[in-house]
Amino acid sequence: EAGVTQFPSHSVIEKGQTVTLRCDPISGHDNLYWYRRVMGKEIKFLLHFVKESKQDESGMPNNRFLAERTGGTYSTLKVQPAELEDSGVYFCASSRGANYGYTFGSGTRLTVV
Amino acid sequence: GENVEQHPSTLSVQEGDSAVIKCTYSDSASNYFPWYKQELGKGPQLIIDIRSNVGEKKDQRIAVTLNKTAKHFSLHITETQPEDSAVYFCAASISGGFKTIFGAGTRLFVKA
Repeated sequence: EAGVTQFPSHSVIEKGQTVTLRCDPISGHDNLYWYRRVMGKEIKFLLHFVKESKQDESGMPNNRFLAERTGGTYSTLKVQPAELEDSGVYFCASSRGANYGYTFGSGTRLTVV
Repeated sequence: GENVEQHPSTLSVQEGDSAVIKCTYSDSASNYFPWYKQELGKGPQLIIDIRSNVGEKKDQRIAVTLNKTAKHFSLHITETQPEDSAVYFCAASISGGFKTIFGAGTRLFVKA
């Protein structure tokens, strides 16, 4: 089966600009997650979709971050306007259900300058 | 809040030696503990997992142990090889198993 695909792999933007990250999960995986890893720290939870619904968005840092999953297939994560502290690697993952391992994408490395 | 502590942050071993990475978790309701390996330029990949109804699980050269009372779990890699060099993350599920909390990672170097 095809894996989780993320696009772009790298993005360098200036402070104040907008960036949209995309994730295509494994087909049939209702659960889609966004995580972020900053400067060698832990992989930190951002939010969780079940199909098109936001199940848990407790990890979203602030209202500059907007995630969508229209139609319950691919998801986008928009950062607007971007700040320097938003730099990091953004991972998307999907899973079959509760207490199952995740399949991660390769990540998007975002650098805000 | 819930957290997972992971040690050591860096581990260097000689090829053929064993490597052990230890984690503790805070949420006593956690019942699923996966381990991920991240190689350069790739996303984390699930390598082994353990559920709370067992204390140990083995898969070839890797094994995981779980002590629910102490809220500790560990990854053991035996007969290490250079291709084992990577960053390893432990994790614990919370919120009914739908959310996973990760440790900060251990960078393992296996010297040939």
